[in-house]
Amino acid sequence: NAGVTQTPKFRVLKTGQSMTLLCAQDMNHEYMYWYRQDPGMGLRLIHYSVGEGTTAKGEVPDGYNVSRLKKQNFLLGLESAAPSQTSVYFCASSHPPGRTQETQYFGPGTRLLVL
Amino acid sequence: AQKVTQAQTEISVVEKEDVTLDCVYETRDTTYYLFWYKQPPSGELVFLIRRNSFDEQNEISGRYSWNFQKSTSSFNFTITASQVVDSAVYFCALSERILTGGGNKLTFGTGTQLKVEL
Repeated sequence: NAGVTQTPKFRVLKTGQSMTLLCAQDMNHEYMYWYRQDPGMGLRLIHYSVGEGTTAKGEVPDGYNVSRLKKQNFLLGLESAAPSQTSVYFCASSHPPGRTQETQYFGPGTRLLVL
Repeated sequence: AQKVTQAQTEISVVEKEDVTLDCVYETRDTTYYLFWYKQPPSGELVFLIRRNSFDEQNEISGRYSWNFQKSTSSFNFTITASQVVDSAVYFCALSERILTGGGNKLTFGTGTQLKVEL
């Protein structure tokens, strides 16, 4: 099992450009999450999904959109990138809360630099 | 709102020393979960442990041990006989229920950078 994978690993964008980050998991997890990690701030939740076809806003959703067309994939889109979106993006997946294994497992991260 | 505090920004030890990483949390939930993750220099986040709020039994896994004390809202992590490979940033996290959609999110502390030197 590959666990949680993310594509790409690193990307440089110019202000105003758009891009999509792809997250894939092979653990049959229902829940998927996108976080961003900034220096000195830990990780913050951007958007999440509790199942195929559903998405919801997290703590810092502005400037991002997401889609969950397939259970195993969760896409994070930046329609018009801004320098403030320079960050490391992590995808995670888990079983639903209440089950004994609701631990979130993380992908390797995507480093995004917006110039 | 929930909060996780890791007051130690950076800790440096010499190999084979024991080191304890502190984690203090705030929550209004009566049932919650606490986690520790390791982030080595390569950048990935590695799950270390998950603890339920109703299980205060301490846990040991090899050189790692965790002390959960509900009375002081703390979930400290101790590495015994530290090694250079333990050098990483360690994050403590608290699971919080999100009302919309029934999901849960992790509230992370800001992390503790551990440097183990020869």
